[in-house]
Amino acid sequence: DAKTTQPPSMDCAEGRAANLPCNHSTISGNEYVYWYRQIHSQGPQYIIHGLKNNETNEMASLIITEDRKSSTLILPHATLRDTAVYYCIARNTGTASKLTFGTGTRLQVTL
Amino acid sequence: DSGVTQTPKHLITATGQRVTLRCSPRSGDLSVYWYQQSLDQGLQFLIQYYNGEERAKGNILERFSAQQFPDLHSELNLSSLELGDSALYFCASSAEGNTEAFFGQGTRLTVV
Repeated sequence: DAKTTQPPSMDCAEGRAANLPCNHSTISGNEYVYWYRQIHSQGPQYIIHGLKNNETNEMASLIITEDRKSSTLILPHATLRDTAVYYCIARNTGTASKLTFGTGTRLQVTL
Repeated sequence: DSGVTQTPKHLITATGQRVTLRCSPRSGDLSVYWYQQSLDQGLQFLIQYYNGEERAKGNILERFSAQQFPDLHSELNLSSLELGDSALYFCASSAEGNTEAFFGQGTRLTVV
């Protein structure tokens, strides 16, 4: 699995968009970009994933650069409940491949 | 609720003992993954089973073993427990294809 690099921490004001970057410059053509988050010590929660096109769901948007070497997770209107550690993962497209977690970005949403 | 059930939620045991952690995957999910998260540490992949067969292995100690049963539930066995084995243990499951994995709420193991 390709290595991903994320800033260790970020702050965001409540109600503003949170833009979390991820670098995956060695990603291969058969690896998806997945985002998960972990709130305190709860089980990680799936957010979104994509291969090369931008994706959007009810939780977030995922923007992947054309060369696929980096991506950005966007939480459009961050709330205090979005305070968590966010993980960007490059996952092989093979059936049910494992997820390899890095150190993630600790997002703190403040009033 | 992710649909993945882990039992027990909390477990306190003494060094040298053996424990079994149980995971019931989401209905229809064939793949089960186990992860360990020590205090303030990242999520370490331990092992994966797919439809009863071991699929991938991470940094799992020889004192640890796992299996997936015909009904697809999985158990993680931890033996000769040491203080350093105290951690959160998460199970996740996923369906076939490149679909998202869903995590349970974990078992918090404390070795005293």
